[in-house]
Amino acid sequence: AQKVTQAQTEISVVEKEDVTLDCVYETRDTTYYLFWYKQPPSGELVFLIRRNSFDEQNEISGRYSWNFQKSTSSFNFTITASQVVDSAVYFCALSQGAQKLVFGQGTRLTINP
Amino acid sequence: NAGVTQTPKFQVLKTGQSMTLQCAQDMNHEYMSWYRQDPGMGLRLIHYSVGAGITDQGEVPNGYNVSRSTTEDFPLRLLSAAPSQTSVYFCASSYSGRGSFPDTQYFGPGTRLTVL
Repeated sequence: AQKVTQAQTEISVVEKEDVTLDCVYETRDTTYYLFWYKQPPSGELVFLIRRNSFDEQNEISGRYSWNFQKSTSSFNFTITASQVVDSAVYFCALSQGAQKLVFGQGTRLTINP
Repeated sequence: NAGVTQTPKFQVLKTGQSMTLQCAQDMNHEYMSWYRQDPGMGLRLIHYSVGAGITDQGEVPNGYNVSRSTTEDFPLRLLSAAPSQTSVYFCASSYSGRGSFPDTQYFGPGTRLTVL
């Protein structure tokens, strides 16, 4: 069965620090997709990134970067020079079949000024 | 495009009451789904649909019904509300419902439901 584990329930850092959110997944599928979503205090879910299992290149988007390692079944998310606006709950998710998503428990990130 | 819309934003029910949570999308997406979000448990799939007239159960379907008569709408019905159904409900949609590879799912703003 598919499973996503985000072991960090809550993280609190001071602004401008770098922070990494961990995501470990389990699947027997050879083809799968991984996602990260952000849920700010307003409550909506904002899509951040989608990565397929054949593409292990790291991705960088501004202050955000993602490290995908199939050998350790991990898809970690790093925020560089964090800002208060980065405060949110972050979810990692794994595709189950064509469209169904299995979510991790979420990591609540607080950036203190 | 309005994207994915959900109504109502908030709802309080008494045990045993019924209601329908509405979800609509204007992006001509084939795939639509309902999730519930509970503290410490992430989001869990309730029901999903890969196209009009086709629905299937997710991880936690008990107590909920769905139907998909049009591409745009995917309502979630609670026939007899229970306190265990207190949660935040999210509707999502994506372009490809029957393809092999998942498209990105876009979520509505959510409905916060309290059952007393």
